[in-house]
Amino acid sequence: ETGVTQTPRHLVMGMTNKKSLKCEQHLGHNAMYWYKQSAKKPLELMFVYSLEERVENNSVPSRFSPECPNSSHLFLHLHTLQPEDSALYLCASSQEALVDIQYFGAGTRLSVL
Amino acid sequence: DQQVKQNSPSLRVQEGRISILNCDYTNSMFDYFLWYKKYPAEGPTFLISISSIKDKNEDGRFTVFLNKSAKHLSLHIVPSQPGDSAVYFCAASAGTYKYIFGTGTRLKVLA
Repeated sequence: ETGVTQTPRHLVMGMTNKKSLKCEQHLGHNAMYWYKQSAKKPLELMFVYSLEERVENNSVPSRFSPECPNSSHLFLHLHTLQPEDSALYLCASSQEALVDIQYFGAGTRLSVL
Repeated sequence: DQQVKQNSPSLRVQEGRISILNCDYTNSMFDYFLWYKKYPAEGPTFLISISSIKDKNEDGRFTVFLNKSAKHLSLHIVPSQPGDSAVYFCAASAGTYKYIFGTGTRLKVLA
């Protein structure tokens, strides 16, 4: 089983749609992360969860809503997105929410029309 | 302002030769650094790390060097192989889970 799995791999949505991205980690880690990577830009940290509790919300617009029901699963709920939200969304996990190696999923390529 | 910079967007190296990927940072509080490799359609894969208490860390063909006074780190791949062709990211942390990533360098190893 791959360490960090993200679904779907590709998503196209209209600005009025509601969709969710899913991330699952099989590494027994306690911390999970959402990152955004726009074209030609570095990875930007969006949200951090430690033991299902959100510990970081990096000034992300409310049209992005994370959910962490348990330490293995992380969701990113999307609604009324803008075209500039089109990007690669990466999920990562680490043993703890500390200085630690983060392990990434393959990402969801999102296009907002 | 970008705190972590990878000024070379791309690099081409002959198979068997050394690949040197560079990363510069501006924040003197950064004390832990990671290198990731990313193939197309895959997520970044952890490669090697270095703490600021060291100036070198080696793992097989991969060596990372840290020059704290110059705020510079480099990744050396020796010998380079075609399978090393990927985008390489450096990332820096000031003692927390918050990593600042560079924009990446695309390495092409020519057979």
